[in-house]
Amino acid sequence: DAGVIQSPRHEVTEMGQEVTLRCKPISGHDYLFWYRQTMMRGLELLIYFNNNVPIDDSGMPEDRFSAKMPNASFSTLKIQPSEPRDSAVYFCASSLMGRPNYGYTFGSGTRLTVV
Amino acid sequence: AQTVTQSQPEMSVQEAETVTLSCTYDTSESDYYLFWYKQPPSRQMILVIRQEAYKQQNATENRFSVNFQKAAKSFSLKISDSQLGDAAMYFCAKNSGGSNYKLTFGKGTLLTVNP
Repeated sequence: DAGVIQSPRHEVTEMGQEVTLRCKPISGHDYLFWYRQTMMRGLELLIYFNNNVPIDDSGMPEDRFSAKMPNASFSTLKIQPSEPRDSAVYFCASSLMGRPNYGYTFGSGTRLTVV
Repeated sequence: AQTVTQSQPEMSVQEAETVTLSCTYDTSESDYYLFWYKQPPSRQMILVIRQEAYKQQNATENRFSVNFQKAAKSFSLKISDSQLGDAAMYFCAKNSGGSNYKLTFGKGTLLTVNP
């Protein structure tokens, strides 16, 4: 099992550019979560999917953020246009339905820097 | 909204000694799950230990154990025989026992292990 795979590991972009973060969940997991980690706000849930369907996107900060899950093995988080305050570590995590007590498996995160 | 509070931003311990990290939470549920995650400098989020609220017995994983006080809504982590590799940020987290699989995190405690 390769775990949750995120790419890229680091991303540096200029303000105003579009940024796309990618995630491949663990095979067979049917829940996928996107979290953002900053020093000020800690770990915040942005959005989560169940069986590729967005269930709760109340954590998405604004319309510049969007997330998709076109199939069970791939998800993207897009920021357009990016701003310096979007600089953070973005984590993807996956979980298996019926086993929330087992917690989530996290990817290694993408460190985004917007200059 | 659920809240998870870690009142100790930083803690330090001597190698081979024992340290306890504190966590309290707010909930009106009777069934839920609690977790401790470790985040070393590599930033990978690693599940350390989990506790199911309906179980009165405290969870133990090798040198890691918890003190779960349901009435007090307290969930502390004890690390025995501390090792240099235990140095990391530790996050307490909670999710619901129902269909809400959102995981809410505390702000974290930075643990330093002194040789």
